[in-house]
Amino acid sequence: SQQGEEDPQALSIQEGENATMNCSYKTSINNLQWYRQNSGRGLVHLILIRSNEREKHSGRLRVTLDTSKKSSSLLITASRAADTASYFCASDAGGTSYGKLTFGQGTILTVHP
Amino acid sequence: NAGVTQTPKFRVLKTGQSMTLLCAQDMNHEYMYWYRQDPGMGLRLIHYSVGEGTTAKGEVPDGYNVSRLKKQNFLLGLESAAPSQTSVYFCASTINGLWDEQFFGPGTRLTVL
Repeated sequence: SQQGEEDPQALSIQEGENATMNCSYKTSINNLQWYRQNSGRGLVHLILIRSNEREKHSGRLRVTLDTSKKSSSLLITASRAADTASYFCASDAGGTSYGKLTFGQGTILTVHP
Repeated sequence: NAGVTQTPKFRVLKTGQSMTLLCAQDMNHEYMYWYRQDPGMGLRLIHYSVGEGTTAKGEVPDGYNVSRLKKQNFLLGLESAAPSQTSVYFCASTINGLWDEQFFGPGTRLTVL
């Protein structure tokens, strides 16, 4: 079964607005990662946050992690039409997991020009 | 650098046929993974490898076999294809597994009739 659950399943916004996606996971983790997938393409890594971190920034991306609630959020500020894609959170299994990731079902983001 | 490449890009099989998907990476990564992605779902781990000559089962290994004879290549085999194996298959690699991003190939779209 999928460890990660994401909401919303789909998000439609206008250019310039912020987009927030949420992810929940079930077991303890070493880190949580966010990936982006353009239609018909492979996944591209966006950001990795470790279990002892609470917030991380990368350009227009802000990720938070709340290990007590087993949840994470991805905020994209000042969105652009080029941000249209599916976004996935992925958590490792904790311990010696060999980098095995469990993915959420994803959030489809549509940014209208 | 080509990164992670996958061969073939598309394939149509009849039930019971066999095939091998090839993944190659030129980044000298130790860890490699095979995932499948079904519509509206995140990626699920099929098999993985932590180094040349090693393989291990992931979340959904049934019906698949893998081999890692050379560090740069990770092969996924379907001995007797079934319609339930219709999916998009992604290969990924990472340097040391636990704390690094995974680099994904462009995917192989497989249809089993």
